[in-house]
Formats: sequence, C-alpha cells, structure tokens
Amino acid sequence: SQKIEQNSEALNIQEGKTATLTCNYTNYSPAYLQWYRQDPGRGPVFLLLIRENEKEKRKERLKVTFDTTLKQSLFHITASQPADSATYLCALTGWETGTASKLTFGTGTRLQVTL
Amino acid sequence: DAGVTQSPTHLIKTRGQQVTLRCSPKSGHDTVSWYQQALGQGPQFIFQYYEEEERQRGNFPDRFSGHQFPNYSSELNVNALLLGDSALYLCASRYFVPSTDTQYFGPGTRLTVL
Repeated sequence: SQKIEQNSEALNIQEGKTATLTCNYTNYSPAYLQWYRQDPGRGPVFLLLIRENEKEKRKERLKVTFDTTLKQSLFHITASQPADSATYLCALTGWETGTASKLTFGTGTRLQVTL
Repeated sequence: DAGVTQSPTHLIKTRGQQVTLRCSPKSGHDTVSWYQQALGQGPQFIFQYYEEEERQRGNFPDRFSGHQFPNYSSELNVNALLLGDSALYLCASRYFVPSTDTQYFGPGTRLTVL
C-alpha cells in the first residue's frame, strides 16, 4: 500500500541553524509533491510545490529537493527563527488522479526552533 | 479578499447523531475538497466537488456525504456518528484547472463525538 513517512519525532534546533525535514514515500508515483505548514488548531498553509521532473525549488529561506529515484524529498529552512516553529506536512499527488488533485499527506514533523 | 471559511468552528455531538459542516471557498475558486485530520495525523482526503458533482472520493464510508451549491460553497454531512469521527475537518479550495494550482485550506471545524 502507499505510504508517506515523515519523522514522527519533533525536530529541535537552535535559532539561526538550518532545519532539514525528510519525506519518504513507497508504492507511489507522484506527479508532484507539496510542503505545507500547520500551526496548532489551524488549517495547513501551502509553502512550496515541486514537480517530478524538478530537482530543487527555492523560495526565500525555504528549499525543497525531490529525488524520485530515492523516493525522497528534503525540506530545508535556512536561518531558522522561533516563528518557524510549527508542524510541516509533506503531500503527494499522483498521476492517476488526473486533474482531481487529491492530496495524500504524511503525518507531519513538528519543528521547534529555540533561542 | 476572504479566504476559505468554515462553520462552525467547534461542534460537540453524541454517537448516532448526524452533523453538517459548511465551507465557503476562496473567492473565484470552483473546486472544494474535504479532509479529516485526527489528532497527531496528517489530513486524509474524504472527497472533492466540482460543478456540483463528487469528482473523487477517498476511503470513507457512505456515512460521509457532501454537496456543492451553485455558488461553489459546500457541505459535508456525516450520519450515524461514531467516536472515531472525532477530528478536525478541513475544507480546501482551488481552481479545477490547472491541476497544480495551490489549494487553500480553511481553519477547520473541530468535531467531538461523545
């Protein structure tokens, strides 16, 4: 069955360091992969989208890589700040869904940035 | 420009009851999806509506049904509530085309079933 795995343990890092979050998937052929941020009790907020034929995408302090051979995406936040503390969700969409764009989410990784 | 809105924000029901949750999409969006998020889990896709029709459905029983209105707003109905239906219910909207368009999520409705 399809599986999307993210580190279930919280990631604690110091302010100013780079946070790296991992998303691994099995039994899936994603057309594209997205990263979302979710704060407690709120809906997810879209951050970045990367397509299967793209290796890397950047947006300000955020960087996403996508390796379809390793079936893995890495999400980096450089110069992290306490305001970056949140849960980060990885979501995939497969070609079989056509234009329906169903998102399949991982369980998310909680990031805690301390001073 | 209002984003995705959902009502109510919180709801408490007892087992066996029925519930209706409501969603208004972001202005201009024509497609609405519903997700269920249990505590500590990622959102799970329930179904998606476009042109007032259910276009895709996740692995949820028929107790979960929906509707989309001509103004693109949507309702999620859950019958015969079970304790396991307690979750945050999220609505997301987007343009149907292109398929890669960003989805915008609402703040969710927290449903507690006692």
